[in-house]
Amino acid sequence: DAKTTQPPSMDCAEGRAANLPCNHSTISGNEYVYWYRQIHSQGPQYIIHGLKNNETNEMASLIITEDRKSSTLILPHATLRDTAVYYCIVSPLNRDDKIIFGKGTRLHILP
Amino acid sequence: EAQVTQNPRYLITVTGKKLTVTCSQNMNHEYMSWYRQDPGLGLRQIYYSMNVEVTDKGDVPEGYKVSRKEKRNFPLILESPSPNQTSLYFCASSLVGGGQNEQFFGPGTRLTVL
Repeated sequence: DAKTTQPPSMDCAEGRAANLPCNHSTISGNEYVYWYRQIHSQGPQYIIHGLKNNETNEMASLIITEDRKSSTLILPHATLRDTAVYYCIVSPLNRDDKIIFGKGTRLHILP
Repeated sequence: EAQVTQNPRYLITVTGKKLTVTCSQNMNHEYMSWYRQDPGLGLRQIYYSMNVEVTDKGDVPEGYKVSRKEKRNFPLILESPSPNQTSLYFCASSLVGGGQNEQFFGPGTRLTVL
């Protein structure tokens, strides 16, 4: 079973900020939160990751709650090209554990 | 250019005919993995490899084999393909470990088993 819970789909108007939530209530202290996205049937693409502090890069921002049980990926100015499936995953506690992706959130950017 | 390559990109075959999907990375990554993706089921891990000669089962290993004789290559072998293995397959690699670093994904192989 996935360690994360995400809404199956979301809509966002073009030019607005897209806020994608993820619940990971069973996360352990040294497990990272990773976000990937998959455009159509292409290979998934890494977006951002974090442990406990908020993170920002050229693609997005990641806000992790203080208790680390949930996080939000923010795409500050969504464009039509951001239409994709977004996956939130928790990195395994042990380096040799398997990775569980889940079904992700299908984000529709509306013109 | 740093990348993960897969071949073939598309394959149509018949039940029982052995096939191999190749995966290669040029980033000297220790960790490599195979996933399959089916409608409504998301990405599911088939096998992964922490390093050369070390492989482990993921969530859905039945019907698949892998090998890791060299660091750069991680082929996926279907000894006797069946129609339920029709899927989109992705290979991925990362510097070390399972989730300690970002994964780089290949472009995918769309397999149809008749």
